[in-house]
Amino acid sequence: ETGVTQTPRHLVMGMTNKKSLKCEQHLGHNAMYWYKQSAKKPLELMFVYNFKEQTENNSVPSRFSPECPNSSHLFLHLHTLQPEDSALYLCASSLGRDPSSYEQYFGPGTRLTVT
Amino acid sequence: QQQVKQSPQSLIVQKGGISIINCAYENTAFDYFPWYQQFPGKGPALLIAIRPDVSEKKEGRFTISFNKSAKQFSLHIMDSQPGDSATYFCAATLGNFNKFYFGSGTKLNVKP
Repeated sequence: ETGVTQTPRHLVMGMTNKKSLKCEQHLGHNAMYWYKQSAKKPLELMFVYNFKEQTENNSVPSRFSPECPNSSHLFLHLHTLQPEDSALYLCASSLGRDPSSYEQYFGPGTRLTVT
Repeated sequence: QQQVKQSPQSLIVQKGGISIINCAYENTAFDYFPWYQQFPGKGPALLIAIRPDVSEKKEGRFTISFNKSAKQFSLHIMDSQPGDSATYFCAATLGNFNKFYFGSGTKLNVKP
């Protein structure tokens, strides 16, 4: 285990539902990330939080809403999703922001299916 | 536009063979090139990484070869084992996890 946990591991939701993904790390890291992983495509960085402040939003549709109440927890609130949003959603954390100095640790992901 | 192009998409290697995965990039400002390994049901994990001022880095059976002039880098897995069967991602970064670009992945299957 990497020390980054994600719940739920699997989620099936209809297009009109509202659900939330949860990520938790107890590594003492200051930065947390949401990625979208679709089959045969590069991982897409969605959001970055550093010391609870959002520092990156890569043109993600507003139907995805992140929340970072503290440095250990990160949420991704979902509403009115589309079938093309079905993917593996990965959470990650790192102590610092420079990849050459700090390692990024990934959780196991939440497999989301939108019906 | 994809910042890092990875090939092949899938690879089958016999046990004991050499697995080679290639990546190419365009942005010469990239300053760090990591490789990640992902097993089914798990998130990616850092495997090995290289800076552009080094042409080769070796850690155990894993070697990165870096060709700055060609803007290419590759992962070599020597003496491939069935336990190496996983999906491998190359990546390139501009000094910040906010500017971190992954390849599309290579699914490696090492046959016993």
